[in-house]
Amino acid sequence: GEDVEQSLFLSVREGDSSVINCTYTDSSSTYLYWYKQEPGAGLQLLTYIFSNMDMKQDQRLTVLLNKKDKHLSLRIADTQTGDSAIYFCAERPQNTGGFKTIFGAGTRLFVKA
Amino acid sequence: DTEVTQTPKHLVMGMTNKKSLKCEQHMGHRAMYWYKQKAKKPPELMFVYSYEKLSINESVPSRFSPECPNSSLLNLHLHALQPEDSALYLCASSQDQTYEQYFGPGTRLTVT
Repeated sequence: GEDVEQSLFLSVREGDSSVINCTYTDSSSTYLYWYKQEPGAGLQLLTYIFSNMDMKQDQRLTVLLNKKDKHLSLRIADTQTGDSAIYFCAERPQNTGGFKTIFGAGTRLFVKA
Repeated sequence: DTEVTQTPKHLVMGMTNKKSLKCEQHMGHRAMYWYKQKAKKPPELMFVYSYEKLSINESVPSRFSPECPNSSLLNLHLHALQPEDSALYLCASSQDQTYEQYFGPGTRLTVT
């Protein structure tokens, strides 16, 4: 079945890099996603990567995809206090018609000043 | 413009009330979604509309009734809810089912 797993907590110091890891099970997903959710807010699409890519960089964000191991990571460079939030990894398996997004449990990132 | 709007932001209702949540997008997206999110949990899919037709109902109780009046609007009608239905209700849209979803800010619902 489909499953996405993430570690639940990560704590870093301001200015350090953060790396949030995710594993997924369904290889039919065309895209894999990272969403950010701040307290009391909706989900913000941060970035996504096409399944035939290894890496995508967007300003402070770097996404790495290891398709063989079904491992996805999000690196945030120069982490700021404003980056404190919950980060959800997600996939959209095409064998569900692409309608369903499978979310991980979310990684809560704490940034210490 | 990647904005999905939801109203109201907060809603408190009794178990005998009838209320509606509204969602709107003007990005020309043809797929729209309702999710329920409990505290410290990921969103759970409730309904999916594609081209204004209901495509997925994730076995949601009938006290939740979705409606898609046109391609820009999505409603969720609520009736006879239970306290355990209290949650953040999120709307999302995507160009179609193969593209990324954009979420609204949510409606915080409390059932008393």
